[in-house]
This record gives sequence, structure tokens and C-alpha cells, in this order.
Amino acid sequence: GAGVSQTPSNKVTEKGKYVELRCDPISGHTALYWYRQSLGQGPEFLIYFQGTGAADDSGLPNDRFFAVRPEGSVSTLKIQRTERGDSAVYLCASSLSTGGGNEQFFGPGTRLTVL
Amino acid sequence: SQQGEEDPQALSIQEGENATMNCSYKTSINNLQWYRQNSGRGLVHLILIRSNEREKHSGRLRVTLDTSKKSSSLLIMASRAADTASYFCATHGRGANSKLTFGKGITLSVRP
Repeated sequence: GAGVSQTPSNKVTEKGKYVELRCDPISGHTALYWYRQSLGQGPEFLIYFQGTGAADDSGLPNDRFFAVRPEGSVSTLKIQRTERGDSAVYLCASSLSTGGGNEQFFGPGTRLTVL
Repeated sequence: SQQGEEDPQALSIQEGENATMNCSYKTSINNLQWYRQNSGRGLVHLILIRSNEREKHSGRLRVTLDTSKKSSSLLIMASRAADTASYFCATHGRGANSKLTFGKGITLSVRP
């Protein structure tokens, strides 16, 4: 079956622009997670959804970052007024449900470059 | 903030040798997981060990967990060139929150 997909795979934008990153989780997975990975670092948690609601958004760095999952499936991470420091690989993962015993399946990521 | 710290940061071995990677963490956990990442993109789940388990095997992988020392090790036996990748440990904390907290990773190079 299909895994987690993310689009676009690469996004180059200019400082100050708005970007949207899309994640399509595995069908039937109710939990969806966003992480950000900078060069040479491990992924850092941003936000996760259980169904349509954001269960924990404590990892979002500031109010320029926002994510939605209106129908409990596809999610969009939105970044306003991008800054060079936002450049990173944005990873999405999904799992059958929340809870510690569930494996998170990761997508290939979107590499965002802010010039 | 990153919970886990892997050790060493980089490891280079000959094909056929065993590779041992260590991870230490700070807070109480529900479980600890190891992931592999090729070329800085998608992560592949390798193995999960729960806080009440001490050792787990999966194919050529062996994971140990010592909750008293807050540490884990990943052993890859009979390494292959295809095992060349970055390896991360990730912890799942106690409580309802499902997020994973990753370390900085270990770069493993297996020479053919």
C-alpha cells in the first residue's frame, strides 16, 4: 500500500513569502505528526493531530507557523513571512492512533530553502 | 530541545564487522525507538523497545535498554555496505503525548 506522501519534494522561496507544505498520511491513520530537521540535526517535533484537532502544537516555533487537517486526513503546514532560518527538511509522519506503542511512518520530506 | 544523545557521532567500519551505537536520554520514557535515515530524507523505523523490556532482536539488529542508566544501544551484526546511513534514537515520553524526541544521530559508514 501507499506510504506517507509529501508535496512538494523541494520548495525554494524568497524571504518574506508564504509557503504551504502538504502531507498525505497512510489511509486509516488517525494520528499525523509534523517534524522539522535542520542539517546535521535530528528531527524536532512541531505539531501533531489526532483526527482533525491539533492535540499538541507546542513545537511550533512562533505564530508564523500554522497547520491544519480539516477532514482528518491530508494536512497542510503553512508558513507565513518565511525567514532564512526556516530552511530545513519538513517531515510528516502518521500512525494508526496516538499512544506510545504505535510506530510512526515517515514521508520523504519537503526540503524548504528560503533565499 | 533534543532528548537523546547518540554516541559516537560518526562510526566507520568494514563490511562484516558489528556496529554498536549508543543513546542516552534524560527523562522517563514509555518506549525508545531507533530509526535509519538515508540521504537526509525519510526515516525508516527499525525497532521499538518498551520501558519494561531489556533486550529485543530483529534480524541482524539487537537493541538493549537500561532505564536505570537512561541509555540504549543498537547493535547491527554482520554489517553490509547498504547499512551506511544515519541512525537516530527517539524517545516517547510517559503520558498521553505521542510526540517523539530525537537525538542528533550517528553517521555510520560501512566500507565494502
